[in-house]
Amino acid sequence: DAGVTQSPTHLIKTRGQQVTLRCSPKSGHDTVSWYQQALGQGPQFIFQYYEEEERQRGNFPDRFSGHQFPNYSSELNVNALLLGDSALYLCASSRDRGYEQYFGPGTRLTVT
Amino acid sequence: GDSVTQMEGPVTLSEEAFLTINCTYTATGYPSLFWYVQYPGEGLQLLLKATKADDKGSNKGFEATYRKETTSFHLEKGSVQVSDSAVYFCALSDQVTDKLIFGTGTRLQVFP
Repeated sequence: DAGVTQSPTHLIKTRGQQVTLRCSPKSGHDTVSWYQQALGQGPQFIFQYYEEEERQRGNFPDRFSGHQFPNYSSELNVNALLLGDSALYLCASSRDRGYEQYFGPGTRLTVT
Repeated sequence: GDSVTQMEGPVTLSEEAFLTINCTYTATGYPSLFWYVQYPGEGLQLLLKATKADDKGSNKGFEATYRKETTSFHLEKGSVQVSDSAVYFCALSDQVTDKLIFGTGTRLQVFP
């Protein structure tokens, strides 16, 4: 049983560009959450998707957007990249609300 | 808002020493509490959890007790191993929204 997978593993972008990160949830999971982990910090909640809708959102600007597909996989899009967007982006999946969240290995984004 | 505070690291111990990592929280409701571990270059793994006051979570020799009166969830292990070297995150789950709120993490270094 594959766990949560994320792609790509690493990514380098230039300030002002746009980026798309991808996540495939663990089998049987229908809820996907995204977190941003800056270097030396704890993860910060970006948003959560359920039934292809954004169910809740953290304190992140509209430059951060997402999507969930019918197969429950998800994308995180970040527009107009800033240097401060450099971080590890973690995807977590669960069987709806109240169940344990399983994390993927993350995508390391570097903005130069 | 809800928040988690952990002791700063790094915590440096010799193999077989006793470990305590302090964690306190602030929450308006009755959150679930978690400890996650992050090994170098990897995502987060759930180490243990407790869902109500006085519950004790345990896994792989690690333990933590949900103390509502002191709003604490300290992580303990009786005898650490070199393989326990990692970053440990205390987190709470918002009772309404299910999002995870993390502390800043505590790096543990265990030497032979």
